Amino acid sequence: EAGVTQSPTHLIKTRGQQVTLRCSPISGHTSVYWYQQALGLGLQFLLWYDEGEERNRGNFPPRFSGRQFPNYSSELNVNALELEDSALYLCASSPRRVASRSYTDTQYFGPGTRLTVL
Amino acid sequence: AQKITQTQPGMFVQEKEAVTLDCTYDTSDPSYGLFWYKQPSSGEMIFLIYQGSYDQQNATEGRYSLNFQKARKSANLVISASQLGDSAMYFCAMSDNQAGTALIFGKGTTLSVSS
Repeated sequence: EAGVTQSPTHLIKTRGQQVTLRCSPISGHTSVYWYQQALGLGLQFLLWYDEGEERNRGNFPPRFSGRQFPNYSSELNVNALELEDSALYLCASSPRRVASRSYTDTQYFGPGTRLTVL
Repeated sequence: AQKITQTQPGMFVQEKEAVTLDCTYDTSDPSYGLFWYKQPSSGEMIFLIYQGSYDQQNATEGRYSLNFQKARKSANLVISASQLGDSAMYFCAMSDNQAGTALIFGKGTTLSVSS
């Protein structure tokens, strides 16, 4: 079974530019999550998509946005890049089971996209 | 607010020895899940083991076991018979009803296994 895939692997952008990161979940998984792992800040939750809708959002500005497609793949868009956006961006997926027990859902991560903003 | 604390920035162990990585958590929600992930230098987060707050037994997955002490709010990862390939960063994470499906991560522990 193929795992979560992400593209591109690495990306170099300059401040002010826009970037799009892509994620394909494990087959059968409907939920996709995005996390940012910046040096010194640890792993922080960015966004959660399920069934095409944004379900939850972490403490990030609106220039971080995304969407989920009918095939459950997802894009993360970051506008007006800033130097501190340099980080490893990790995508994860999980199967959706019972909403009331969502805290039990195991998230499986992809290899990440390393973004460098110069 | 929910919080995960990993107090060991680095741990060193020899091959074939067991090692315990510490994790304490804080939540006021009685329903929560605890997870451990391994992150090698390549960056990918690899799921290791899960423990639910209502689970009576400690979780085990091969060489990994979770020492769950609910009253102490601790969820330590025990790796038995360490291997060189176990050298990596290890993260403890939690999800509860307030967090929804968002995982809250600790700062991680770097494990180094030597021969």
